[in-house]
Amino acid sequence: SQQGEEDPQALSIQEGENATMNCSYKTSINNLQWYRQNSGRGLVHLILIRSNEREKHSGRLRVTLDTSKKSSSLLITASRAADTASYFCATDYGNNRLAFGKGNQVVVIP
Amino acid sequence: GAGVSQTPSNKVTEKGKYVELRCDPISGHTALYWYRQSLGQGPEFLIYFQGTGAADDSGLPNDRFFAVRPEGSVSTLKIQRTERGDSAVYLCASSLNPPPNTGELFFGEGSRLTVL
Repeated sequence: SQQGEEDPQALSIQEGENATMNCSYKTSINNLQWYRQNSGRGLVHLILIRSNEREKHSGRLRVTLDTSKKSSSLLITASRAADTASYFCATDYGNNRLAFGKGNQVVVIP
Repeated sequence: GAGVSQTPSNKVTEKGKYVELRCDPISGHTALYWYRQSLGQGPEFLIYFQGTGAADDSGLPNDRFFAVRPEGSVSTLKIQRTERGDSAVYLCASSLNPPPNTGELFFGEGSRLTVL
């Protein structure tokens, strides 16, 4: 799982399988966002979940938020080779920035 | 343009030199951010602009780093007396939704800085 101080995680799965990754955070948040990054360049926003929401869907993505445990999970269903990337969670603590985790590297094998 | 544009995409310089990195945000986005990303790490916040002013520069590592946004659009990150430890990808992002409820950030492709 991602957290500011944890090592990045790597996940290798077969195409068609589901991929789940987790993120934990420190204090109360306004929202939590997930981003994807290919080849160490620009990040692309995937989904935003607000602190008063528990679950959100976008296409093959499902995000959950558990504020009591200060954690979130991102599920990618029916993975494709094109989903191979690094995935970052980012938290809005209301302090003028998003705080990014160290990322989860996902490799989808065709 | 359609997205956030950053130039140069790659910059190789020698230790001690001065470097400028440019960011052209999405038109109409008042919030602009600079982040730095080292290999295998997540993006690290450097500075946030709301309009022309630096609303939060608490992430700048030291006084060799400075950023401007004189007309509230294009921003330039300036690094003086570069050191090898400054080598990283410098990411710029813009947003329609500024703090305190930060919305989606739109990132550029980054400027990869290598200090020899």
